[in-house]
Amino acid sequence: EVQLVQSRAEVKKPGESLKISCQGSGYRFTSHWIGWVRQMPGKGLEWMGIIHPDGSDTKYSPSFQGQVTISADSSINTAYLQWRSLKASDTAIYYCARQEGYCTPTSCYGYFDFWGQGTLVTVSS
Amino acid sequence: DIQMTQSPSSLSASVGDRVTITCQASQDINNYLNWYQQKPGKAPKVLIYDASNLEAGVPSRFSGSGSGTDFTFTISSLQPEDIATYYCQQYDSLPQAFGQGTKVDLK
Repeated sequence: EVQLVQSRAEVKKPGESLKISCQGSGYRFTSHWIGWVRQMPGKGLEWMGIIHPDGSDTKYSPSFQGQVTISADSSINTAYLQWRSLKASDTAIYYCARQEGYCTPTSCYGYFDFWGQGTLVTVSS
Repeated sequence: DIQMTQSPSSLSASVGDRVTITCQASQDINNYLNWYQQKPGKAPKVLIYDASNLEAGVPSRFSGSGSGTDFTFTISSLQPEDIATYYCQQYDSLPQAFGQGTKVDLK
């Protein structure tokens, strides 16, 4: 059974750093890109970026480039989303999702077929 | 970047009604469009990929059509378990983008 299990909810203060995780199981982890999607409270879905699980390629939305770092460690089937300095506006649920498809230099074709349960990040002083 | 405009933003319908949601892309995206369903407190779930292909295990009352810039998602006979928010997603070019969502509830 394919599963993506995300790390627990976090409560942080502005300026703090954070790294959340997404561990895949039930499939060959390096066969599928992993994407990250943000959902701010009461709002819609925002595509943040995507990584090849061997770490060889990462693509960011311009809206998130420089604001977060996406990484992966294929030896433990885990992808990460990291912030160096959190802001209150980073408060959201963050989902990881497996892409069924492939990426080229300019596009990632396919759809997210399996999703993690989401990690709620709350940033408040 | 490609912008996706969904309409309506919300709708109320009765059990058994036909429900239609539209999604318009700001430029031609061929058929590179997916539809997701998100229930409260849950992760999204893909229903339709490549504009019109039904994901395995998804009931046949869900369907999608369109190509280019204009797409339609249809629930042929609304069921109580279909109460959710629905999103389109383009993947023609990076960054991928979701529509703003359509919240469907019962009248």
